[in-house]
Amino acid sequence: DTGVSQNPRHKITKRGQNVTFRCDPISEHNRLYWYRQTLGQGPEFLTYFQNEAQLEKSRLLSDRFSAERPKGSFSTLEIQRTEQGDSAMYLCASSSGRNTEAFFGQGTRLTVV
Amino acid sequence: GQQVMQIPQYQHVQEGEDFTTYCNSSTTLSNIQWYKQRPGGHPVFLIQLVKSGEVKKQKRLTFQFGEAKKNSSLHITATQTTDVGTYFCAGRATSGTYKYIFGTGTRLKVLA
Repeated sequence: DTGVSQNPRHKITKRGQNVTFRCDPISEHNRLYWYRQTLGQGPEFLTYFQNEAQLEKSRLLSDRFSAERPKGSFSTLEIQRTEQGDSAMYLCASSSGRNTEAFFGQGTRLTVV
Repeated sequence: GQQVMQIPQYQHVQEGEDFTTYCNSSTTLSNIQWYKQRPGGHPVFLIQLVKSGEVKKQKRLTFQFGEAKKNSSLHITATQTTDVGTYFCAGRATSGTYKYIFGTGTRLKVLA
């Protein structure tokens, strides 16, 4: 499978715990996005990487969220001190250029209990 | 901040009827993309529009980008049960941003 891969697919965590998600984009794609989607809503932009550089981050994103893409390949999204409001589907997408289609992964569904 | 709204929120149609969803941005867009998300699935890219007034067709789907590059529409002719899903537009503003703002989506149900 050469698509965008996200792990884990599901994560249940207790409030206050830290969680980390991983995204492996399509190998030749240098652009990577993280989105968050709640039920009945469209994906909400979180952050954008071009190669290893984090070029844009949502102003709505609290400082409990951090993302990295250390070698310009896979990316991780960490949420510290999780809250119930963080429960959502976290989607990763990659693309090969600024005005090209984005390919989404299957997402990681986070449930904070 | 930039907002993208879609109407209607829901649409139920009989198989064979036409369907249209409208997308409106609060700011002028550099380009707009359309995605389809099946229940339980992830968004899948359909098309991208870049030019003012652009119209593109994919079989039964027709996509338009408004002259002012602030609105767009997706029209499906003679819907089929395989068209079921939520349709999202996603626009990127012209102001030097990389992010795409997704619309609120239109959920389509097709009754056989």
